[in-house]
Amino acid sequence: ETGVTQSPTHLIKTRGQQVTLRCSSQSGHNTVSWYQQALGQGPQFIFQYYREEENGRGNFPPRFSGLQFPNYSSELNVNALELDDSALYLCASSPGRGSGTEAFFGQGTRLTVV
Amino acid sequence: AQSVTQPDIHITVSEGASLELRCNYSYGATPYLFWYVQSPGQGLQLLLKYFSGDTLVQGIKGFEAEFKRSQSSFNLRKPSVHWSDAAEYFCAVVRSGGYNKLIFGAGTRLAVHP
Repeated sequence: ETGVTQSPTHLIKTRGQQVTLRCSSQSGHNTVSWYQQALGQGPQFIFQYYREEENGRGNFPPRFSGLQFPNYSSELNVNALELDDSALYLCASSPGRGSGTEAFFGQGTRLTVV
Repeated sequence: AQSVTQPDIHITVSEGASLELRCNYSYGATPYLFWYVQSPGQGLQLLLKYFSGDTLVQGIKGFEAEFKRSQSSFNLRKPSVHWSDAAEYFCAVVRSGGYNKLIFGAGTRLAVHP
């Protein structure tokens, strides 16, 4: 069984640019959540997708957007990058969207904005 | 608003010593509670979870946690720490009956001395 995979593992972008991060969910999982983990902090919820629809959103501006595809893989897009967007971005997939379903995390994408 | 507090940023223990990591949460009702571990360069791995029932829950790698409603706490324990337990530990909550949006604490970094 393949776990959650994220690409790329590391990325360096310039302030003002746009970036796309990718996540392949675990087989059989229809829900993907994205988290931002700044250095020295716990992960913060960005948004969740369930069967290709946004199912919930955290306190992030609209320049953070996402997609979920029919195979349940997902993308996180960030426009107009700011220095504070430098962080580890974690994707988690789960077999459902209910609060009792376990989230399985990928290894993350380390984004550095210079 | 829901929040999670992990009062200890860093903890150092000797190999073979016992361990307790503290977690307090703020929430109107009893949430679902989780402990995750993050090794360097890795994603998050679930150690254990509490939904209801027995307030002492067993997890993987010899960890256990006790839910105390009166103290709004969910502390993680291990009777004998191994050098491989050195990592960062995150406590998280989810609103029961909602969707699986995890709210994390800031984490506790554990160092293990030989």
